[in-house]
Amino acid sequence: DSGVTQTPKHLITATGQRVTLRCSPRSGDLSVYWYQQSLDQGLQFLIQYYNGEERAKGNILERFSAQQFPDLHSELNLSSLELGDSALYFCASSPGDITSLIQYFGPGTRLLVL
Amino acid sequence: AQTVTQSQPEMSVQEAETVTLSCTYDTSENNYYLFWYKQPPSRQMILVIRQEAYKQQNATENRFSVNFQKAAKSFSLKISDSQLGDTAMYFCAFMRLNRDDKIIFGKGTRLHILP
Repeated sequence: DSGVTQTPKHLITATGQRVTLRCSPRSGDLSVYWYQQSLDQGLQFLIQYYNGEERAKGNILERFSAQQFPDLHSELNLSSLELGDSALYFCASSPGDITSLIQYFGPGTRLLVL
Repeated sequence: AQTVTQSQPEMSVQEAETVTLSCTYDTSENNYYLFWYKQPPSRQMILVIRQEAYKQQNATENRFSVNFQKAAKSFSLKISDSQLGDTAMYFCAFMRLNRDDKIIFGKGTRLHILP
């Protein structure tokens, strides 16, 4: 158990819908990262937050957004869903300081868009 | 831009044998981390081993060891005395030691340990 929790574990929805994925980082970790694992694109970095602020953006679509709350949990919002958004979405956390950059991954949320 | 390449999409070995997974990467950075992550059928991402680029000594973790060749930009993973529980997808990964410390993953190698 990495200490990172993600809910829900599975999500089935229809095209055009909106969903919210939730991540609680390990206790004390300030950085949260979101990654998408799909069959055709592999594992890709989406976005990073550090202590409530966006720190880095990767291949995140404009239909997707994220935020990190004062209690440090993070949410990834996916809207106007398309079939191609079906994927496993991972959250990872790290302390975020230069002395400890190891990222610990949550169990993932499996999203299926029908 | 950094890239990570795993040239072996799939491998199979007999239990108790030694297997080596290959990885090459491309970067102009001098300070970075390299990782091997394991993803078993449960889909959990598990850190197997890590290597700091400034360290010449190859990292080892029990049955897992790496061969880090910085000049060649090569980072292979050796699994000794392979076990059935080693069956998984293995990802080689790169991370810059920088503010935007995202991880860049290779496409993965699916490893089957045969009884």
